[in-house]
Amino acid sequence: DVVMTQSPLSLPVTLGQPASISCRSSQSLVYSDGKTHLNWYQQRPGQSPRRLIYEVSKRDSGVPDRFSGSGSGTDFTLKISRVEAEDVGVYYCMQGSHWPPWTFGQGTEVEIK
Amino acid sequence: EVLLVESGGGLVQPGGSLRLSCAASGITFGHYWIHWVRQVPGKGLLWVSHINSDGSATSYADSVKGRFTISRDSAKDTVYLQMNSLRVEDTAVYYCTRSFDYWGQGTPVTVSS
Repeated sequence: DVVMTQSPLSLPVTLGQPASISCRSSQSLVYSDGKTHLNWYQQRPGQSPRRLIYEVSKRDSGVPDRFSGSGSGTDFTLKISRVEAEDVGVYYCMQGSHWPPWTFGQGTEVEIK
Repeated sequence: EVLLVESGGGLVQPGGSLRLSCAASGITFGHYWIHWVRQVPGKGLLWVSHINSDGSATSYADSVKGRFTISRDSAKDTVYLQMNSLRVEDTAVYYCTRSFDYWGQGTPVTVSS
């Protein structure tokens, strides 16, 4: 199974400041179709997960452009350019290139300092 | 508006059974793979099972293999998760998701004597 490792697991940030979350996979996520199936999710308190980013860097409709994804192979990053209060929650990376099983990172909790 | 609505969760004794349902509103499931993902409150996301677009292929996490069965009814645009021989460790909120883009609000399952 592909192991997804996120860091940090807790991220206190100041409003208006940038934030960055790392996600590493135990093997390359380049799929046979040439795409890299790495998604990022936001889960606000009491809500279900919401996909922010798919295929490493493609933003979903309605996602603010302060969220961006980057990376390749086994190393990926989610960046928030300027954190807002509504960004509080837990962020997960997920791989869909080697399945089953589809696997998630442990989650990174973003909180406001 | 796209909605996925899960139902069927509840309290059950160890060894008991439940059938979860996932119905679509505003979209059709017809051409998509559907997954079940569970989350113990306060913990991370764990993929449970998938079914392909025509129901001809399914897969399961090792922890539920042989106990859970996923199926779909195209006429009703509904996906089911039959959960048998439930264990205390199956206690979680169960989400259905359409190819990991849209997610439902989840249905809680509690296995306890």
